[in-house]
Amino acid sequence: DGGITQSPKYLFRKEGQNVTLSCEQNLNHDAMYWYRQDPGQGLRLIYYSQIVNDFQKGDIAEGYSVSREKKESFPLTVTSAQKNPTAFYLCASSILAGGRYNEQFFGPGTRLTVL
Amino acid sequence: AQSVTQLGSHVSVSEGALVLLRCNYSSSVPPYLFWYVQYPNQGLQLLLKYTTGATLVKGINGFEAEFKKSETSFHLTKPSAHMSDAAEYFCAVSDLNNNDMRFGAGTRLTVKP
Repeated sequence: DGGITQSPKYLFRKEGQNVTLSCEQNLNHDAMYWYRQDPGQGLRLIYYSQIVNDFQKGDIAEGYSVSREKKESFPLTVTSAQKNPTAFYLCASSILAGGRYNEQFFGPGTRLTVL
Repeated sequence: AQSVTQLGSHVSVSEGALVLLRCNYSSSVPPYLFWYVQYPNQGLQLLLKYTTGATLVKGINGFEAEFKKSETSFHLTKPSAHMSDAAEYFCAVSDLNNNDMRFGAGTRLTVKP
């Protein structure tokens, strides 16, 4: 059964700690994305990757880091430098077809709360 | 760069009434346009998309949208609202130049019995 999985679903962090959110896909998609969602602000792009071992910053990359060592995995680390990390984090993937990326498929999300 | 504006952060309709959620986009090249739905504490699910061809596109759950280039719009409609349609809806645009996707701020749909 193909899809995108994110873990954990809920995550609690103390101030000053780094935490890593997992995102795995078995869709054989080329591109993967991380978004942050806050109430009333829609989705904001944190990082994206179109190929293994390469990734680009999105609009709000400060305080976050990623890696893409395998095509199916794109973990996101929220570092202590991120001043307001409490949010809902969504991972997505898409396939390259005809030189263009089509729709994005989303995981179920991880809700991060800083205590 | 492309962008999306969704008019109305909150829309309320009665069950059985027409649903109309508005989306306007800006893009310097022919866009791909999408509507997604999100239920509480879940990821986004694709409702429908426009890439090329027929400008009226039909999606899941009885929704449809029409691409109007002259109006730069891609409004989402459903003839008769159901209680299960209550959710947040996002319009999104991608274009050939950037290969990324931009989302609107979302519209929360409430359906009254």
